[in-house]
Amino acid sequence: EIVLTQSPATLSLSPGERATLSCRASLSVTSSYLAWYQQKPGQAPRLLIYDASGRATGIPDRFSGSGSGTDFTLTISRLEPEDSAVYYCQQYGSSPSFGQGTRLEIK
Amino acid sequence: EVQLLESGGDLVQPGGSLRLSCAAFGFTFSSNAMNWVRQAPGKGLEWVSGISGSGYTTYYADSVKGRFTISRDNSKNTLYLQMKSLRAEDTAVYYCSKDRPGVTTPHYFAYWGQGTLVTVSS
Repeated sequence: EIVLTQSPATLSLSPGERATLSCRASLSVTSSYLAWYQQKPGQAPRLLIYDASGRATGIPDRFSGSGSGTDFTLTISRLEPEDSAVYYCQQYGSSPSFGQGTRLEIK
Repeated sequence: EVQLLESGGDLVQPGGSLRLSCAAFGFTFSSNAMNWVRQAPGKGLEWVSGISGSGYTTYYADSVKGRFTISRDNSKNTLYLQMKSLRAEDTAVYYCSKDRPGVTTPHYFAYWGQGTLVTVSS
C-alpha cells in the first residue's frame, strides 16, 4: 500500500497570496497517477487535478498541479476567500489511497 | 449533468448488515467504472471498493474485504454496496463516485454523490 503524507497540516494565508501544498508518497506513484481534491464543510469532495497536472472540468487556472515519482505539489495562486477548505491528494497507481489532508485557511 | 444519489444509510448494531444504493443520472452508466469512498466523522477519505462498468471485476480495500460486496444493476443505473459484519469503525459517510472515463480499474473520482451516513453502534 502506498502511504501519502501531506504537509503542512494547516496553512493560513491571506487573499491574493500563493499556497503551496505538498504530497509525498512512500513509493513511486506509477504514471504520475495522482489527483487532488477540495472539500468544504458539509460537502462532498471536488476533483481539482488528475494525472498530477491535468485540471478537471470547470476548475480555474489558479489551481495547478506538478510533480512525479514520490513528490507532488498543488499550487493555488491568487488565493480567494472561497478557497478555504481541506485539500486531499490521492494516488491511483495501485490500490487507491488518500493523504490525511491539508487545511487551508484564508485570513 | 451527472448526478449521483445515495440512499440506505442508517443506524445499525455491530455485527449487523446494511445495503447502500446509488442511483446514477446524466451519463451512460454501463460504460463507467464506479466506486464507494467513505469518510468517518471528522476524519479523512478512504477508498472502499470499485467495480468495472460491466460489473465483472470488483476491487476492495483490505479493511472491508470479505465483509462488503459491491455490485451494480446496469438496467436500473444503480450501484450497490452490501455491508455485513459491520463494526464501529465502519461508521462514516459513504459516497458513491464515478471514475475516470474508459477505465476498468479504480482511478480518480470525477463525480461524487452527496453521501449517506452509516452509524454502527449499540
